[in-house]
Amino acid sequence: EAQVTQNPRYLITVTGKKLTVTCSQNMNHEYMSWYRQDPGLGLRQIYYSMNVEATDKGDVPEGYKVSRKEKRNFPLILESPSPNQTSLYFCASSPLAGEGSPLHFGNGTRLTVT
Amino acid sequence: AQKVTQAQTEISVVEKEDVTLDCVYETRDTTYYLFWYKQPPSGELVFLIRRNSFDEQNEISGRYSWNFQKSTSSFNFTITASQVVDSAVYFCALSPSSNDYKLSFGAGTTVTVRA
Repeated sequence: EAQVTQNPRYLITVTGKKLTVTCSQNMNHEYMSWYRQDPGLGLRQIYYSMNVEATDKGDVPEGYKVSRKEKRNFPLILESPSPNQTSLYFCASSPLAGEGSPLHFGNGTRLTVT
Repeated sequence: AQKVTQAQTEISVVEKEDVTLDCVYETRDTTYYLFWYKQPPSGELVFLIRRNSFDEQNEISGRYSWNFQKSTSSFNFTITASQVVDSAVYFCALSPSSNDYKLSFGAGTTVTVRA
């Protein structure tokens, strides 16, 4: 089944404890992206990747890191999480960037930082 | 810079009523794509429709219809004869047709359909 898989679905952590949210897609998509969803703000792009070893900042990159060493994986890293990073996170992928391809989303990761 | 505005935060209707969701966008690009996504209570994001900026034809898919008007920079979404299963958050989104691929979402409109 074609899908974008995020793990974990739920994560509760404490301020400053490094964490990684994994994202993997099995559709051979070039483009991958991370979003955070907050009430009243919709989805905001954190980072995106056009292909392997090609990543760029979205609208809210502060406090996050990503890597794209393989086409299928695009982990989101929070080196020192803070409470303002409590949010619902979505990973997404699409075949081609800039071609209007709809995004395929993972099921989301709900992160709570205390 | 590009921006998507969904002025309606919440809409509540009774089953079988029609509901229209407004979406207004801003962009300097001449070529762009507009999208609608649905987020049901289960939380996943579901793609509904994509519209190219050169294609201003309205589209109907079952009980869903979309009205794209470039002159007013609007891409409105209507659910006809709403059902309880239509209860969800609906997002409008915009992306330029360029190598700098940034998809911008509106804040979303929560639709509640009461039986």
